[in-house]
Amino acid sequence: ETGVTQTPRHLVMGMTNKKSLKCEQHLGHNAMYWYKQSAKKPLELMFVYSLEERVENNSVPSRFSPECPNSSHLFLHLHTLQPEDSALYLCASSREGVSSYNEQFFGPGTRLTVL
Amino acid sequence: KNQVEQSPQSLIILEGKNCTLQCNYTVSPFSNLRWYKQDTGRGPVSLTIMTFSENTKSNGRYTATLDADTKQSSLHITASQLSDSASYICVVSGQEYGNKLVFGAGTILRVKS
Repeated sequence: ETGVTQTPRHLVMGMTNKKSLKCEQHLGHNAMYWYKQSAKKPLELMFVYSLEERVENNSVPSRFSPECPNSSHLFLHLHTLQPEDSALYLCASSREGVSSYNEQFFGPGTRLTVL
Repeated sequence: KNQVEQSPQSLIILEGKNCTLQCNYTVSPFSNLRWYKQDTGRGPVSLTIMTFSENTKSNGRYTATLDADTKQSSLHITASQLSDSASYICVVSGQEYGNKLVFGAGTILRVKS
């Protein structure tokens, strides 16, 4: 295991539902990330937190709302999603901020299906 | 067009055979390049990282090469095993993108017995 856990592993929701994805890292890292992975497409960076402050938001629709209450936990709150939001959502963490030299450790992902 | 292109998109080989996966990138100036392995149902795991001055790096049966002049990298897998079946993702970082990571779409490898 990589030291990064995600729950739930699978989620099916309707377009009017509200749900949250949870990520927890046990590595003592300072930076956490949310990625979206769609079939046959590159990973898309959604949000980056460093020392619990959001440092990057890659023009993600407001129906996705991140929350980082402390350096070990990261949430992604979902509201009124669209079917095209169905994908694998990956959480990652790294030490010492967001330098590209710091290896990112990924969780197993949450497979989200929006009906 | 993605700044990191991988080929082939998918590959099937017999157990015990060798294979080579390709990664071409246009990210410039270049900082580093990583190869990740992603098993089905799991997140990506880093295999190797190479900087500009490195042209080869090994991790067990995995050997990555880098030609920074032609902006090409390859991942060679020797004596493949069933457990090598996975998606292999090339990730490039460059100063043009503020040292952000640019991901390829991956090569899906299936090793058959």
